Amino acid sequence: KNQVEQSPQSLIILEGKNCTLQCNYTVSPFSNLRWYKQDTGRGPVSLTIMTFSENTKSNGRYTATLDADTKQSSLHITASQLSDSASYICVVSASGNTPLVFGKGTRLSVIA
Amino acid sequence: DAGVTQSPTHLIKTRGQQVTLRCSPKSGHDTVSWYQQALGQGPQFIFQYYEEEERQRGNFPDRFSGHQFPNYSSELNVNALLLGDSALYLCASSFGTNNYEQYFGPGTRLTVT
Repeated sequence: KNQVEQSPQSLIILEGKNCTLQCNYTVSPFSNLRWYKQDTGRGPVSLTIMTFSENTKSNGRYTATLDADTKQSSLHITASQLSDSASYICVVSASGNTPLVFGKGTRLSVIA
Repeated sequence: DAGVTQSPTHLIKTRGQQVTLRCSPKSGHDTVSWYQQALGQGPQFIFQYYEEEERQRGNFPDRFSGHQFPNYSSELNVNALLLGDSALYLCASSFGTNNYEQYFGPGTRLTVT
C-alpha cells in the first residue's frame, strides 16, 4: 500500500533555531516528492519538488533532501522565524496518472 | 495572474442537506482535483476532472459528485451531508493529468451541524 509517514507529529522550537522534519514513503513506482507548507485553515503552498535524480533542493531557508534508495526525505529549516509556524506536508507522486499520496504533516510552532 | 480560487470561504450546513463548492483553476491549467482535509490530517483525494470528465476517484461514496465546465472551473457537490463531512475542502489545479505541478486553492471550510 502506498503510504507516507512523517515525523515528528509536532515540534516546538525557539525563533532563530534550526530544525529538521522527516518523511518516509513506500510509494512505488516513485515519480517525485514534494514538501508543502500549510498555514492553519489555508491551502498548501509548494516549497520544493524533487524527482528521482535529485537529492537536494533549496528554497530560501528551506532545504529538502531525498534518498530514493532508502525512500526517505527530510526538510531542514534554517534560522527559523515566527512565520514558519505551520504544518509541513510531505507528498509523494507515483509514476503515471495516479493520485498524490499525502503524509499527515508535522505541526511546527516557532516561539519567541 | 490569478491563482486557484475557491468559494465560498466558509459554509455551515445541517445534516441531510446538500452543498456545492466551487473552484476556478490557475490560469493556463485544465485539470482540477478535489481533496478533503479533516482537522489534523493530510488531504484525502476525492476525484480529478479533466476535459469535463471524472478521470480518477478516491475512496469516497457516491454522495460526492462533481462537474467541470468548458472554462475548466469545477464544482464539488455533496448530498445528504453527515457530521463527518465537516472538513476543509481543497481544490488543486494543474496542466494535464500527471499531477506534477499542483497548485492549491485556499480551501472551503464546511461545517455540518
